[in-house]
Amino acid sequence: EPEVTQTPSHQVTQMGQEVILRCVPISNHLYFYWYRQILGQKVEFLVSFYNNEISEKSEIFDDQFSVERPDGSNFTLKIRSTKLEDSAMYFCASSEGREGQPQHFGDGTRLSIL
Amino acid sequence: AQTVTQSQPEMSVQEAETVTLSCTYDTSESDYYLFWYKQPPSRQMILVIRQEAYKQQNATENRFSVNFQKAAKSFSLKISDSQLGDAAMYFCAYRAPQGGSEKLVFGKGTKLTVNP
Repeated sequence: EPEVTQTPSHQVTQMGQEVILRCVPISNHLYFYWYRQILGQKVEFLVSFYNNEISEKSEIFDDQFSVERPDGSNFTLKIRSTKLEDSAMYFCASSEGREGQPQHFGDGTRLSIL
Repeated sequence: AQTVTQSQPEMSVQEAETVTLSCTYDTSESDYYLFWYKQPPSRQMILVIRQEAYKQQNATENRFSVNFQKAAKSFSLKISDSQLGDAAMYFCAYRAPQGGSEKLVFGKGTKLTVNP
């Protein structure tokens, strides 16, 4: 069964450094998402992406964050200048469409900011 | 804003027994989607079951079924004949109706332990 894949599984970065988290969505999916989960807290929505542009973003998704689909397969989340509070599990998801089709999630990237 | 509450941080069940995980939500919408996701340790979140609010019938997937009480805004998950592989975090999630927000709103999760 097709899966969403995320790399790396664990990223350790110094505060203030840029980090790029990578995702390969399921190939025929058109909608892409990033979520994060700070340890012990709820999974929170960050951003959705469709047709090469952001379709929705949360308050968390400020100017430090950006997303890109640089080619036909990858979907990336960039954090420009990481802060300690960016430490979290980041999940990528994709779905076929908007009509309540389920979102399929990757394994996540654990981001640790030192 | 929509919220999802899972009041049971942890649950345990004996293998082959039945367990029910609770979920309540708050919304002013009349049509929406509800999901249960399962997250085994160090693994991805996997969709367990999906319910469309306009459908009266409770969704069922093999040993997994829901009790959807729209008026009470309750969406509990029943796992029958529990297996060791059912041990995981279970997340309840809400999605707005078609044309609305695409984001999933999650509860905090319930950690299910299955005892042999």
